[in-house]
Amino acid sequence: EIVLSQSPGTLSLSPGERATLSCRASQSVSSSFLAWYQQKPGQSPRLLIYGASSRATGIPDRFSGSGSGTDFTLTISRLEPEDFAVYSCQQYTRSSTWTFGQGTKVEI
Amino acid sequence: QVQLVESGGGLVKPGGSLRLSCAASGFNFSDFYMSWIRQAPGKGLEWVSYISNSGSSVYYADSVKGRFTISRDNAENSLYMQMDSLRAEDTAVYYCARETYSSGYPRLDYWGQGTLVTVSS
Repeated sequence: EIVLSQSPGTLSLSPGERATLSCRASQSVSSSFLAWYQQKPGQSPRLLIYGASSRATGIPDRFSGSGSGTDFTLTISRLEPEDFAVYSCQQYTRSSTWTFGQGTKVEI
Repeated sequence: QVQLVESGGGLVKPGGSLRLSCAASGFNFSDFYMSWIRQAPGKGLEWVSYISNSGSSVYYADSVKGRFTISRDNAENSLYMQMDSLRAEDTAVYYCARETYSSGYPRLDYWGQGTLVTVSS
């Protein structure tokens, strides 16, 4: 079973700063099967990035995804106040199941 | 627009049962695979189960296999999760989510607001 490990656990930044979040897989993952989600307190997750680097509908271009193999990155170029949230990476497996990372909290 | 609305959560004793529902609207429900994902209080997301668009294929996480049963009614645009032999560790917010596979990129593109299941004596 592939395990996704996210780092750091918490990222403390200010509005306007750049955020770089890491997602590392225990084995190589197809880039096509790697996604990122944003979750704010009391809300359901929202799809941000799929296929490692494609933005979902309506997602601002300050969000970008990159990576391949075992190392993937979500970058927020300039943090807006509404971007402070928990971000989780996710992979779709060949056995048609989904696994998530434990999440990175981006806080002010 | 796409809407997913879960219901059926509540407080149940260990060993008890509960049936969750997810009402879908705004898209052709019978064209899409669907999943249940849960989130224990203060914890990360855990995929629980998925069902193919026809209902012919289902998969479960090991943590719920043999206790939970996913099903759907395409005529009613509804997804279900029958949860039996519930344990304290099943306490979580349960989300239903739509799976999309366009362009060869699988993802969960729409999520419901979630329903809370609490297993406690």
